[in-house]
Amino acid sequence: AQSVTQPDIHITVSEGASLELRCNYSYGATPYLFWYVQSPGQGLQLLLKYFSGDTLVQGIKGFEAEFKRSQSSFNLRKPSVHWSDAAEYFCAVGVGAGNMLTFGGGTRLMVKP
Amino acid sequence: DAGITQSPRHKVTETGTPVTLRCHQTENHRYMYWYRQDPGHGLRLIHYSYGVKDTDKGEVSDGYSVSRSKTEDFLLTLESATSSQTSVYFCAIPGQGASGNTIYFGEGSWLTVV
Repeated sequence: AQSVTQPDIHITVSEGASLELRCNYSYGATPYLFWYVQSPGQGLQLLLKYFSGDTLVQGIKGFEAEFKRSQSSFNLRKPSVHWSDAAEYFCAVGVGAGNMLTFGGGTRLMVKP
Repeated sequence: DAGITQSPRHKVTETGTPVTLRCHQTENHRYMYWYRQDPGHGLRLIHYSYGVKDTDKGEVSDGYSVSRSKTEDFLLTLESATSSQTSVYFCAIPGQGASGNTIYFGEGSWLTVV
C-alpha cells in the first residue's frame, strides 16, 4: 500500500524568506502527486500536481514543486513567503482507477512578520 | 468551483444517534469520495463510489455506510455515532476533461459527537 510522509508538523518562517516543505512517498510506481493548501475552517485548495513529464511543476500563488524519483520526494517550494501563506499544507499521492488519494499528515506553516 | 455541495455544514449530535451527511455534485461524474480529516492524519478515505449503487470501502470504513441512488448524490451514514467520529468530513470528485485526474473537495462538514 502507498504511504505519504510529511516530516515537518510545524514550520515557522519569516515573511519574505524562502520556504521548502518536504514530502516523501512510498509506492511501487510513479503515482500522481499533489499539493493542497487549507486555511483554517476552509476546504482544500489544489496548489499544483504532477502526472508526468517535466519534474519541476509550477502552481498557483507562486508555489512550485520538484519530483525526484530517486528520492521518492515531491517537495514544495516558494522563494518568498507572504503572510497570507500561513495555512496547512498537504501532500498526497493518487493511485488506482479512481485516483484514490493518500495524504500525508500535513505541515502547518506559520509566517512571522 | 468544483460543483460540490455538502450538507449539513455543521452538526452536533449525541452518541448513539444516526447521522447522515449528504454530498451533491453538479458535474455528473462517476466517482465520488468521502474523506475524514483528523489532526496528524491528514485526510483518510472512508468510502468511495464509482457509479450508481457501486460503492467500496476505503481505509477507515468501520462504523460508516454509504449509498448512491443517483449520480449526483452520495450519502454517508453513521448508524450509531461515537465520539471517535467527531471529525471534519469532506466529499470529493474528480475534475472534468484534462483535469480528470485531479480531485476536488467540497467545503467540509464539521461533525461533533457529544
